[in-house]
Amino acid sequence: RKEVEQDPGPFNVPEGATVAFNCTYSNSASQSFFWYRQDCRKEPKLLMSVYSSGNEDGRFTAQLNRASQYISLLIRDSKLSDSATYLCVVENFNKFYFGSGTKLNVKP
Amino acid sequence: GAVVSQHPSWVICKSGTSVKIECRSLDFQATTMFWYRQFPKQSLMLMATSNEGSKATYEQGVEKDKFLINHASLTLSTLTVTSAHPEDSSFYICSAGQGSSYNSPLHFGNGTRLTVT
Repeated sequence: RKEVEQDPGPFNVPEGATVAFNCTYSNSASQSFFWYRQDCRKEPKLLMSVYSSGNEDGRFTAQLNRASQYISLLIRDSKLSDSATYLCVVENFNKFYFGSGTKLNVKP
Repeated sequence: GAVVSQHPSWVICKSGTSVKIECRSLDFQATTMFWYRQFPKQSLMLMATSNEGSKATYEQGVEKDKFLINHASLTLSTLTVTSAHPEDSSFYICSAGQGSSYNSPLHFGNGTRLTVT
């Protein structure tokens, strides 16, 4: 079983839509969780860390469910510029595990 | 914010030559750096973990004699692709964390696009 699993998508949504991605992880001892965004042919960039209490940054909300071992990312009021691949990253004792990424296409 | 610089951004080389890629943490010290490879439309694959002052730890299936890693200082790790072949053409990315503290994210270099002809 993979350490981190994500639905590869693509998710095709119209501008203004709300879209949510989930990511499951296999190691219950995992310590830190992150969402990264990767644009085509570019390096991943940190979108947000995910805290146990959940956290919000503008149109983006991240949640962690330790009992079910998943994290989620919610994007409200999607913009064309949100089109990218979203990577779920889980850290366990300074070793980072990446999901395969979920591709999002926001259409006009 | 933390910055990781990778050089070169792209390189084209002939089959059989060696290519060195540098990864520098510009404003923090990184005892550990990570090297990834990404083929088109695929996810990042961890190749190895580079440890300052000691040998790198390679992931299963990655040839340590082909991908030489040197982490001579707290701000610099290098990856050398030796005797490169066309199948080594890929996007190579390094990353570094600022420490082992909780919720310390990785910061990525801008990547190196290697094309072997």
